[in-house]
Order: sequence, then structure tokens, then C-alpha cells
Amino acid sequence: QLHLQQSGPGLVKPSQTLSLTCTVSGGSVSSGTFFWTWIRQPAGKGLEWIGHESTTVNSNHNPSLKSRVSISVDASKNQFSLSLKSLTAADTAVYYCARGEYGGVLDYWGQGILVTVSS
Amino acid sequence: DIQMSQSPSSLSASVGDRVTITCRASQSINNYLNWYQKKPGKAPQLLIYGAFTLQGGVPSRFSGSGSGTDFTLTISSLQPEDFATYYCQQGHSFPYTFGLGTKVEIK
Repeated sequence: QLHLQQSGPGLVKPSQTLSLTCTVSGGSVSSGTFFWTWIRQPAGKGLEWIGHESTTVNSNHNPSLKSRVSISVDASKNQFSLSLKSLTAADTAVYYCARGEYGGVLDYWGQGILVTVSS
Repeated sequence: DIQMSQSPSSLSASVGDRVTITCRASQSINNYLNWYQKKPGKAPQLLIYGAFTLQGGVPSRFSGSGSGTDFTLTISSLQPEDFATYYCQQGHSFPYTFGLGTKVEIK
């Protein structure tokens, strides 16, 4: 059974960079054609797909985040990470990692981390 | 971006009721439509993918239908553990997008 465990700060200052990590157990980030994905949900709002990275196909990010987002996969640690820079209060949200499959299917999710952007 | 609209935004129902949630895409997404259940403080859980395929372990009272732009999630007999918010999501084009959710509450 695949398990995704998220880690990272709960509070980040405006203009700084958010770094979150998702550690995968019960499977390998290098096996199969999976899309290691980040999603977020601001309080009281819907879910927003941030982007994904894969070890076998091209990555893709949400254009709404422009060039602020970077997603990387570290096969040696069986982890993948999100970097989001130039934070503002609008980036305050619960951030989730997930495994994606073809057709955008998100079948395994991390537990979620509330990230607050505040000075 | 493909816009996903869900209706209703909320509904009240009783245990045992049949519940239907609709999702409409702003353009055709073929069958690339997924449904998730989300409970407060928990991560979303995949229920149905490809418009009608039940994810393993999901009770058979959940079913999905539709293609193109119009889709439906049906719960045939609502159970206490089904009170949650349900989201549709298109996996046809980047960026993948979600509906705003349908909150199913206890009547």
C-alpha cells in the first residue's frame, strides 16, 4: 500500500519561498509512469492543481502560478518536493501531495499541510 | 482552462436517500472525469475515475456516468459516512481543474 508523508513549515513570511517535501513509502517514485503531483486548497475554497513532475515524461505546472513553482523528484530519497517562491497571503492554503496517473487520476494523497503566509 | 461547474453546491439528505450530483465541463473532456470525496481535516479520496470506473475499495453504492461535457455522481443509498464534500476534476487538459464541490449534509 502506497503511503505519502508530507513535511514542511506551517508558517512562512511573505516574499519568501515555500519548500514542501513528500516522502513515498510502499512504492518507488521511479517505477511506472506516475505523476508526482501537488494540489492546494485555500480555506473555504476549492481545490487547485499546482503541477506535477515525472521521472519518465515532461512536467507540467499551472500557468496561474507562472514561474513561481518548481517540482522535483529525488529518486535516491524516494521523495518529491514543491518549491513556491515570492509568497503572498493568497498562497495560504492546505497543500497536498498526491500520486497521479494517466487521465489526471489522483489515487494516493498525503495528509495535507496547512501553510500560512504571514509576517 | 477548462471550467468545471457542479450542482448543487450543497444538499441536505437523509440516510437511505438516493443522491445525484452533476458536473459540467466548459468543453468536451471525453471520459477524463474523476470524482473525489473530501471530509473536513482529511485528504480527498478518489471515488471514481474515467467517469464511471469505481476505485478499488469504494462501496458499490457510488456510481458515475456521463461523457463529453455532462457527468453525474450517484449515491444509491446514502450512508452516515457519506456526508462529505464531493469534487469533480477533469484530467483531459492542463491545467487539470476541479469543480467547486458539492457539500452533502444531513437533513
